[in-house]
Formats: sequence, C-alpha cells, structure tokens
Amino acid sequence: AQSVTQPDIHITVSEGASLELRCNYSYGATPYLFWYVQSPGQGLQLLLKYFSGDTLVQGIKGFEAEFKRSQSSFNLRKPSVHWSDAAEYFCAVVPSGGYNKLIFGAGTRLAVHP
Amino acid sequence: EAGVAQSPRYKIIEKRQSVAFWCNPISGHATLYWYQQILGQGPKLLIQFQNNGVVDDSQLPKDRFSAERLKGVDSTLKIQPAKLEDSAVYLCASSLELQETQYFGPGTRLLVL
Repeated sequence: AQSVTQPDIHITVSEGASLELRCNYSYGATPYLFWYVQSPGQGLQLLLKYFSGDTLVQGIKGFEAEFKRSQSSFNLRKPSVHWSDAAEYFCAVVPSGGYNKLIFGAGTRLAVHP
Repeated sequence: EAGVAQSPRYKIIEKRQSVAFWCNPISGHATLYWYQQILGQGPKLLIQFQNNGVVDDSQLPKDRFSAERLKGVDSTLKIQPAKLEDSAVYLCASSLELQETQYFGPGTRLLVL
C-alpha cells in the first residue's frame, strides 16, 4: 500500500547535538518529497522540498535532507540543534501525477534538552 | 505578503450541531486546500479547489461535510451535523498554481463534545 512512514514518534536531543529524523515512502514512482515543521499553535511551515536533481537538499533554519532512491528514504538532518527547533516535524509526499495532493506521515515530535 | 488567514481559531460545539470555518488564501493563489489533522496524526486532504472548481474531494465525508469557494478567493468548510470524531484541527492551505508549494494557515481547532 502507498504510504509515508516516520518511524520515530518522539525524539529527544540535547541542545547542540546533531539530529536525524527518518522518513520512508512506499510509492511506485519517486514522488515529490517535503519536510514541514509545526510549532504549537502554528500552521505548517515548509522546511525543504525535493523534486529532482541533487539528492542533498538544503532548507531553511539550517536543515538539510538527503533523498536515497535505493532506500526510499528522505531523512532530515541538522548538525546542531537549537532549543527553538522543538516542534513536530512532518514528512510529506506528492505522488507522481498526484495533482499536488500532499500525503503526510504521522509526524515526529522533537524535544530539545538544554 | 499576508499569509493564509483562518477563522475562528478555536470552536467548541456539541455533537449534532453545525459549524463553519472560513479561509482566505494568499492573494493571487489559485489553488486552495482544506486538510483535517486529528490529534497524533498528519494532516489529511479533504478537498482541493482550483479557482472555484473542485480538483479532488475524494476524502471529504460528503454526507456531513461541504465546502465552497464561490468567487475563487476565500472558502468555507461546513460540518453538519458534527460527530465526536470530527474533533481535529482544520488547516487551510493555498498555492499559486496546482503544482506549486503550499502555504498553510494557523488552523481552526474544533472540539466536539
């Protein structure tokens, strides 16, 4: 079945530590890939997106993501986490030919310890 | 540039009552989306408009949910009658065109008692 999987429901890291959030998708053709962040009481903000080309994508707030076709993965990374990064992170896809219909994973909630 | 506006931000109703949410997209954005986000889940697309026409409403529970975008600008989403399981955050998003980046509003949090 077509799906977007974020295996980690909660992740806790210390401020200044590195971060990697996992995302796997299950679609026949490579979809468009996105990472969004949602802070409490806020709407979703786009961090970065991948359509084609270079498999390492740079986003806002120091985030990057790497597309790996062989693993059907699009993991989000940040080398040094700040306390303000505490939020919920959603991986999303637009399936090929999907008329811009975003399909979201269940999200990963990130907590940052001082 | 103003973002996507939604109102109200919060709504509490009893089951079987009706409720309506309003969304004003970013100026000039042709495509408008309504998503439902149940607690602990990612958002799920309910309906997608291109100008004032429906592109996708396959996941809209049409027996109780309706949406319109009469002049191709702002939109309303209605639930009538509401059920307990409709408790969720309703997010509106817009994009310049059909294949462009979606920008989200702050959402309306609905609690059905």
